[in-house]
Amino acid sequence: SYELTQPLSVSVALGQTARITCGGNNIGSKNVHWYQQKPGQAPVLVIYRDSNRPSGIPERFSGSNSGNTATLTISRAQAGDEADYYCQVWDSSSLFGGGTKLTVL
Amino acid sequence: QVQLVESGGGLVKPGGSLRLSCAASGFTFSDYYMSWIRQAPGKGLEWVSYISSSGSTIYYADSVKGRFTISRDNAKNSLYLQMNSLRAEDTAVYYCARLRFLEWTLSYYFDYWGQGTLVTVSS
Repeated sequence: SYELTQPLSVSVALGQTARITCGGNNIGSKNVHWYQQKPGQAPVLVIYRDSNRPSGIPERFSGSNSGNTATLTISRAQAGDEADYYCQVWDSSSLFGGGTKLTVL
Repeated sequence: QVQLVESGGGLVKPGGSLRLSCAASGFTFSDYYMSWIRQAPGKGLEWVSYISSSGSTIYYADSVKGRFTISRDNAKNSLYLQMNSLRAEDTAVYYCARLRFLEWTLSYYFDYWGQGTLVTVSS
């Protein structure tokens, strides 16, 4: 069965760029979606189809996908970006990565 | 604005049953596929089931197949999840979410989520 691998945690200095990866076998051939989940809240879609932002999501959030790695990039990181981030793909059913906790220092 | 409000969670003994509901508003419910996704305490997200806009197409995760039943009532703008033979490992927050397919693919994502309802299975 297909597996998605995310780092457990990523740290970024305030105002710098955070990159959160999602690894999977030939994931570049799949459509990857990203969700942000703040403590005690429901997930929010931040990127769909690798690099598309839903309305209301800041331009600081961007995505890319190639080879065996998809990446969510958060530019000019803010304290409010601290959250868990999950990647998601479809492979005969919907699969989520294990999630990455982003800490803004 | 799109709103999804889950209800029906609670404490249930192993082997018991529970029915979750999700009330939808702010969009034409009957036009959209809907899904249930769960999150065990301190864990990641797990897709549970989805249902087509008409209710004619339904899929389940292997972990719940044969025990859970998804349904919808488009006249009431409501989504349901009947959970039977509950196990301790079913303990989780259950979210309902609106599902969007990418054109010309089987790939989909979840563009709106409710706040979730907690199901605890314990004796």
